[in-house]
Amino acid sequence: QVTLKESGPGILQPSQTLSLTCTFSGFSLSTYGMGVGWIRQPSGKGLEWLANIWWDDDKYYNPSLKNRLTISKDTSNNQAFLKITNVDTADTATYYCARIGAIPTDYWGQGVMVTVSS
Amino acid sequence: DIQMTQSPASLSASLEEIVTITCQASQDIGNWLSWYQQKPGKSPQLLIYGATSLADGVPSRFSGSRSGTQYSLKISRLQVEDIGIYYCLQAYSAPWTFGGGTKLELK
Repeated sequence: QVTLKESGPGILQPSQTLSLTCTFSGFSLSTYGMGVGWIRQPSGKGLEWLANIWWDDDKYYNPSLKNRLTISKDTSNNQAFLKITNVDTADTATYYCARIGAIPTDYWGQGVMVTVSS
Repeated sequence: DIQMTQSPASLSASLEEIVTITCQASQDIGNWLSWYQQKPGKSPQLLIYGATSLADGVPSRFSGSRSGTQYSLKISRLQVEDIGIYYCLQAYSAPWTFGGGTKLELK
């Protein structure tokens, strides 16, 4: 059974760095072809893909967030991470992680709400 | 970036009605198109992948099709549990991009 669960700080202030963790089970990021993606959704709005990391440590980022994103993984502990630097109120959203395999994003986590506020 | 233009933005339909939602890709994405359903307060659930393949556990009233760079999701007989917001996703090339969403309501 594949499960994913996101965790994060809940609330942070503008200019801080947002650190998110995706803890998953039922698959391994050391398996050929596997990956984890991060997607976010501001309240009442659509979905925005942020970044992917693959089994071979290849990474893709959404260029709209320029150089603010860093994705990484801990294969031994079945975790993936996303950092967003210099956050502002526009980064307030629910953040999801999702499994990527032969099927792009077939399993999603429940999401974690992040609020950026002074 | 590949743009995914989804239509309509909102749709009101009756039970048992046929519903069709479309996504137009700005360039060729092959069959790298997935459809998701999202209900309030929940994460998106995969319905269709590879443009036409039904995900496990999804009712057969859902189907996907492709004509060139236009992709369609069809619900053959709308049920009350189908109410929600539907999104398409292209995973052909980075950055992956979602359609803007279609809010499906009961008439």
